[in-house]
Amino acid sequence: DAGVIQSPRHEVTEMGQEVTLRCKPISGHNSLFWYRQTMMRGLELLIYFNNNVPIDDSGMPEDRFSAKMPNASFSTLKIQPSEPRDSAVYFCASSPYGTENEKLFFGSGTQLSVL
Amino acid sequence: AQTVTQSQPEMSVQEAETVTLSCTYDTSESDYYLFWYKQPPSRQMILVIRQEAYKQQNATENRFSVNFQKAAKSFSLKISDSQLGDAAMYFCAYLNNAGNMLTFGGGTRLMVKP
Repeated sequence: DAGVIQSPRHEVTEMGQEVTLRCKPISGHNSLFWYRQTMMRGLELLIYFNNNVPIDDSGMPEDRFSAKMPNASFSTLKIQPSEPRDSAVYFCASSPYGTENEKLFFGSGTQLSVL
Repeated sequence: AQTVTQSQPEMSVQEAETVTLSCTYDTSESDYYLFWYKQPPSRQMILVIRQEAYKQQNATENRFSVNFQKAAKSFSLKISDSQLGDAAMYFCAYLNNAGNMLTFGGGTRLMVKP
C-alpha cells in the first residue's frame, strides 16, 4: 500500500485566496483525520471522519475552514479566504477504526504558506 | 529524508511500574527537535515531552522522561509510576531544523494493567 497520500506537498498562496488540501487515505481504513502542526501549538486535531461522516469538528478554527469526505478514498480541507496565520503543516491520517489494528497512519503533510 | 522507527508495536506495564518506549531516527541534520505524543481515544494528539537536539540534558516532565542519545539517534520515553490513564498510543516524532517537516514513527500501543 502507498500509505496516506497528501497533495500538494507545498502550497504558497496569497492572503485571501482559496486553498484546498487533498488526502487519499489507506484503502480499507474507515477513519480519517486532519491535523494542523505549528511550532507554537504543536499538533492540533481539526476534524475527523468515521465512514465518511464528520464526527468531531470542534477543532476547526473558524468558518473559513471546511472539510469534506465525499467517499471513502478522498477528503479535502479547504480554507477560504486564507490568512497568514493559517500558515502551518497540515497532516492527514487514516485509521482502521474499531479494529484490533486501530492506529493512525500519517501522510507526509502539506506545508502551507500564506503570504 | 528523515525516518522515525518505533520497534515496539505494543507494550504492557503493570500499574505503578516503569516502562520504556523505544524510538530511533535517521537524519543528516545536527539541529532538530524530537517529540513524544500521546493519542487518547479522543484522537487528539497530546504533546508529552519535547527535546531540542542541541540540548544535552534529557527532558523531563513529571513522570515522563527521555533518554536522548544523539550519537546513536535514539530517543526513548520512560514513564515512571505508570497509571491507568497512561494507556494510549504513543508516537515519536522528528521535526527538522526549519520546522517544516514533521515525521512520525509508527506508534506504540501502551497497555497498563491494574
